[in-house]
Amino acid sequence: GAVVSQHPSWVICKSGTSVKIECRSLDFQATTMFWYRQFPKQSLMLMATSNEGSKATYEQGVEKDKFLINHASLTLSTLTVTSAHPEDSSFYICSARARDRDQPQHFGDGTRLSIL
Amino acid sequence: DQQVKQNSPSLSVQEGRISILNCDYTNSMFDYFLWYKKYPAEGPTFLISISSIKDKNEDGRFTVFLNKSAKHLSLHIVPSQPGDSAVYFCAASDTGTYKYIFGTGTRLKVLA
Repeated sequence: GAVVSQHPSWVICKSGTSVKIECRSLDFQATTMFWYRQFPKQSLMLMATSNEGSKATYEQGVEKDKFLINHASLTLSTLTVTSAHPEDSSFYICSARARDRDQPQHFGDGTRLSIL
Repeated sequence: DQQVKQNSPSLSVQEGRISILNCDYTNSMFDYFLWYKKYPAEGPTFLISISSIKDKNEDGRFTVFLNKSAKHLSLHIVPSQPGDSAVYFCAASDTGTYKYIFGTGTRLKVLA
């Protein structure tokens, strides 16, 4: 149980394009989803928290107009990197948590984004 | 300001022996701690957690110990198996925000 699917797993695109990453909870309802970014050999850094049906809460230093998050249903959240630039290249990981806040977050397999 | 620290970037252990991974934190508001295991090109997988009202939690080969006064937790894996080779992240959270703060990870290599 507690499976989170993230798609695509790998994206290469040109600078200036927008990229959408999907995160789905397959066997549970995720009232809250989280988006993280990981640089090589570094920790997972929380970018934003999204609750179903409401606006995402962004961490300090994360541009909300750059990283658009939509949590339209209890099983789907999307992260859109708008007008991507090479410095946006990174490993993006989503996680999902059920309504019970004492349950751990369950992670997708991540998306490797490379902007040329 | 790194609130959660894993000071050992790597650890090698012989198969069958005990693996001990350590984690230190600075924020006294943290009251929930977790360990995740991560293979390359995959997302972290939840292993075990502990609430601050406990000092030990055990699940099979995995035991987490919490020392609140020292702001230190550790993960013990006994016996270690080659399949345990991965990067292990500790994470801390407070029940006010429920956000996870992750350490930088420790790469465990279990030698056959």
